[in-house]
Amino acid sequence: KQEVTQIPAALSVPEGENLVLNCSFTDSAIYNLQWFRQDPGKGLTSLLLIQSSQREQTSGRLNASLDKSSGRSTLYIAASQPGDSATYLCAVIPMGTYKYIFGTGTRLKVLA
Amino acid sequence: EAGVVQSPRYKIIEKKQPVAFWCNPISGHNTLYWYRQNLGQGPELLIRYENEEAVDDSQLPKDRFSAERLKGVDSTLKIQPAELGDSAVYLCASSLDGGLSTDTQYFGPGTRLTVL
Repeated sequence: KQEVTQIPAALSVPEGENLVLNCSFTDSAIYNLQWFRQDPGKGLTSLLLIQSSQREQTSGRLNASLDKSSGRSTLYIAASQPGDSATYLCAVIPMGTYKYIFGTGTRLKVLA
Repeated sequence: EAGVVQSPRYKIIEKKQPVAFWCNPISGHNTLYWYRQNLGQGPELLIRYENEEAVDDSQLPKDRFSAERLKGVDSTLKIQPAELGDSAVYLCASSLDGGLSTDTQYFGPGTRLTVL
């Protein structure tokens, strides 16, 4: 059974810092991995999708990497801003299914 | 372009009462998902539709939960009767084609259910 773990559960950093969020999954047989952002009281917004054959994806200040063999992904946020404060969730789609298995998320707070 | 629309946004009911949630997916999206998100947890899939067909409902508690997607567009999720443990945020998502590894799911704002 696929399990997804995110560390740390919560993170508080001063504005301008570069930071890394970690995601690990137990079964490397996945179609893709996706990082989402969730603001309080709102739904999820897709940030980056990495297919199983890819190693990284970049969008603006965000960079996500995927090491399928070790079951790990990282989300790198450069020059963090208070507007980046949110919960970040990673999710994988195991092969043979088309449903996301989500981690429990990392709650990020960027202090001005 | 309008995103995924859900209503109501909030619902408070007493246990044993029925409740229904409505979802309107992004126009043209064939695949629709209902997730439940407990406090401090990631969302868990309840049911997935391909057009009108429920292709994965293995996680749906069928004794009290039901869902339908008539005409392959809007969908409703119903709980009858509600229990205290059903308090959660119910998220609806849609995607163009759920069978592709490149497919991205777009989420609605969710319905926050509180059962007293």
